[in-house]
Amino acid sequence: DVKVTQSSRYLVKRTGEKVFLECVQDMDHENMFWYRQDPGLGLRLIYFSYDVKMKEKGDIPEGYSVSREKKERFSLILESASTNQTSMYLCASTPSPGPYNEQFFGPGTRLTVL
Amino acid sequence: DAKTTQPNSMESNEEEPVHLPCNHSTISGTDYIHWYRQLPSQGPEYVIHGLTSNVNNRMASLAIAEDRKSSTLILHRATLRDAAVYYCILRGQAGGTSYGKLTFGQGTILTVHP
Repeated sequence: DVKVTQSSRYLVKRTGEKVFLECVQDMDHENMFWYRQDPGLGLRLIYFSYDVKMKEKGDIPEGYSVSREKKERFSLILESASTNQTSMYLCASTPSPGPYNEQFFGPGTRLTVL
Repeated sequence: DAKTTQPNSMESNEEEPVHLPCNHSTISGTDYIHWYRQLPSQGPEYVIHGLTSNVNNRMASLAIAEDRKSSTLILHRATLRDAAVYYCILRGQAGGTSYGKLTFGQGTILTVHP
């Protein structure tokens, strides 16, 4: 079975802390995504990566950065966590961005920033 | 990506078929119709996709109208584990700022009664 795993299901951090969210996929996919999901706003793309060391900003990159040093791993970094970054964070991967490909999602990390 | 319209909620009884409708009147000729679902506290899960013809897989069937302006996801025998939010998404060719990202609307909340 294909798999996308995320480092934590639940995380509680304090304002100003640096936060790392890790995502690993075992499908040798080129493309990986970080989304956040908030009630009433749906999924919003934060960053995506189409290859190792390559990254592109999504729709809401402010306050976030990413790292992709290895093909299977895509990390989301909150440089200085703020309360408005309390959210569900979802990682996804896909072999290519073509419209016929499905995206595989991880279970999500529910982050609370106090 | 073009917009989709789904009912906010639907209810079904266990072991009965469920037909989840989706309207997409502005669909373009190259847009694929995808369905995902999200169980409570889980990441989204791919269900099925199609372009023009009806599609079947182990999870569901997808019926696409001849003019492609609407589609219906069919769960042949609903179980309690099918209770989820179901999202109908159109996916065109990735390019520009779309990156192949998924744009989730509000979806349909499916409740399954024992």
